[in-house]
Amino acid sequence: DIQMTQSPSSVSASVGDRVTITCRASQGINSWLAWYQQKPGKAPKLLIYAASSLQSGVPSRFSGSGSGTDFTLTISSLQPEDFATYYCQQANSFPRTFGQGTKLDI
Amino acid sequence: QVQLQQSGPGLVKPSQTLSLTCAISGDSVSSNSAAWNWIRQSPSRGLEWLGRTYYRSKWFNDYAVSVKSRITINPDTSKNQFSLQLNSVTPEDTAVYYCARVGQNGFADYWGQGTLLTVSS
Repeated sequence: DIQMTQSPSSVSASVGDRVTITCRASQGINSWLAWYQQKPGKAPKLLIYAASSLQSGVPSRFSGSGSGTDFTLTISSLQPEDFATYYCQQANSFPRTFGQGTKLDI
Repeated sequence: QVQLQQSGPGLVKPSQTLSLTCAISGDSVSSNSAAWNWIRQSPSRGLEWLGRTYYRSKWFNDYAVSVKSRITINPDTSKNQFSLQLNSVTPEDTAVYYCARVGQNGFADYWGQGTLLTVSS
């Protein structure tokens, strides 16, 4: 199985800050990576797919980059509604695997 | 707009079978461009993909090795839904279970609301 490792596990930030979250795959996954946002009691929400493509309806302050084994999610200017937990997920091979999550709080 | 509505019990006894259903609106379980997945989430295991069913001229299934001997995912074309059965459950199967659609982009773009499943006697 491909292991996905996110860093940091948690980060504190303020409204207006720029935040970057990193995800590393244990082997190359090309660009088969997604980022999800999850709020308490809710299902994950797709933000970024194919490493850098913005899902329809997602604000442009979210962006993704990377390929191979190293990926980043950047939020350019944090808004109050962005405080949540973020997960990466690889779709290069089965089983699909997720990172352990990065909790973003104030 | 695709919507997934989950149903099923929230409590199952150890050694029994977990059964959950995911009703689809706005798409078809028989779509040639979608796959229908079950994913669970627990504090100890995080987000864990369990399996999928999909139609490409015939039906296919893929399952996670961790549950392969115990899991069945079935489509129901008459009701436009799909189901999860997990046999011989233990307390380690306690989790929030989600159904999700994987669309043409290859990623889970629509999710059900989640079902908290507790395994306890």
